[in-house]
Amino acid sequence: QAVVTQEPSLTVSPGGTITLTCGSSTGAVTSGHYPYWFQQKPGQAPKTLIYDSSNKHSWTPARFSGSLLGDKAALTLSGAQPEDEAEYYCLLHYSGSGVFGGGTQVTVL
Amino acid sequence: EVEVVESGGDSIQPGGSLRLSCAISGFSVSRIDMTWVRQAPGKGLEWVSIIFNGGGITSYADSVKGRFTISRDSSANTMFLHMNSLRADDTALYYCVAGPKNAYWGQGAMVTVSS
Repeated sequence: QAVVTQEPSLTVSPGGTITLTCGSSTGAVTSGHYPYWFQQKPGQAPKTLIYDSSNKHSWTPARFSGSLLGDKAALTLSGAQPEDEAEYYCLLHYSGSGVFGGGTQVTVL
Repeated sequence: EVEVVESGGDSIQPGGSLRLSCAISGFSVSRIDMTWVRQAPGKGLEWVSIIFNGGGITSYADSVKGRFTISRDSSANTMFLHMNSLRADDTALYYCVAGPKNAYWGQGAMVTVSS
């Protein structure tokens, strides 16, 4: 089974910009992995922010954007707000099965 | 309004069986892909299984393959996860994820496997 890697933790200043990445042990992440990004706050169910690399749901704040960056999937937060402090997970798909990354704890400080 | 509600979580001994249910309102379970995701206490998310729309093709994580079975009942608009040969490392909060592009998550059903 593939291993999906994320930064364990990142810190951003209020109003600042931060990029989280999502890599695959099998090689470059492509659109064919249908990358997803989820946000989870303590005690809450996850929320789906980004699907298929860069598409947003209606509830996804405009300050979040997804992309393919080099050989990884990326989630960029531009203009961080205190309420963005959370754990962020990426999900990649491999021939119909999914694998989550270990999550990135984002601190807004 | 879309609702996703899991039920069936329980405490159970190793080797036992359990069935989780995921009741959906707001769209038809037969028209969308539906997924189970679990989260062990204090740990990250783990993808468990998916049932695809249309023909109902299924897929499983290696950790549950051969022990868990995903299914759905279109008449009840409900998805199920049948879990056999449960082990201590299956202890987790099990989330149902449904809707177009994994849009909607339930609040989870807790499964505790312990002697």
